[in-house]
Amino acid sequence: GQNIDQPTEMTATEGAIVQINCTYQTSGFNGLFWYQQHAGEAPTFLSYNVLDGLEEKGRFSSFLSRSKGYSYLLLKELQMKDSASYLCAVKSNDYKLSFGAGTTVTVRA
Amino acid sequence: IAGITQAPTSQILAAGRRMTLRCTQDMRHNAMYWYRQDLGLGLRLIHYSNTAGTTGKGEVPDGYSVSRANTDDFPLTLASAVPSQTSVYFCASSGGLESNEQFFGPGTRLTVL
Repeated sequence: GQNIDQPTEMTATEGAIVQINCTYQTSGFNGLFWYQQHAGEAPTFLSYNVLDGLEEKGRFSSFLSRSKGYSYLLLKELQMKDSASYLCAVKSNDYKLSFGAGTTVTVRA
Repeated sequence: IAGITQAPTSQILAAGRRMTLRCTQDMRHNAMYWYRQDLGLGLRLIHYSNTAGTTGKGEVPDGYSVSRANTDDFPLTLASAVPSQTSVYFCASSGGLESNEQFFGPGTRLTVL
């Protein structure tokens, strides 16, 4: 089975940095994904890590440590539009995605 | 370019009724998926299809069936709806099971009374 844990909620101020942690225990590993989901909308792809290290894409970065079963998503220079849920997902050996429950980030002015 | 469309947008259904949620993609993706999203539980895979003509069970398949007659369409059927199937249903697609990105449809909000 799959076990993916991430915090339920986080709050930060506009312009600040927030780090969303994700730990996982899965049967096999074929990559870790982060998705963004605004309220009432579909999830949209943010990042993909399959090797250890940091992947940077604009204001968003994602880190992976396979040996620790750990990832984080770093959001820099927070904007009000970044208020959303952030979903951590792991692809197992059978290529299916298992999702965490999501972290709701609220950005305050 | 539509991407993935789902219908209906929302539906209220009496328990025991049969319901088919429709999903169509125009990206010629081989793989398609159905998820349900419930508060506190995240997205859970119901069924998936690697290519037209094949389907497979996900994490929570009971009470649901799917078919994949062609590349574009992947309907999800609830043969006899129960209140525990009240949820938001998302269809997704990707180039293949091994692809790095899944594209999600806008979702169907289903309420079973």
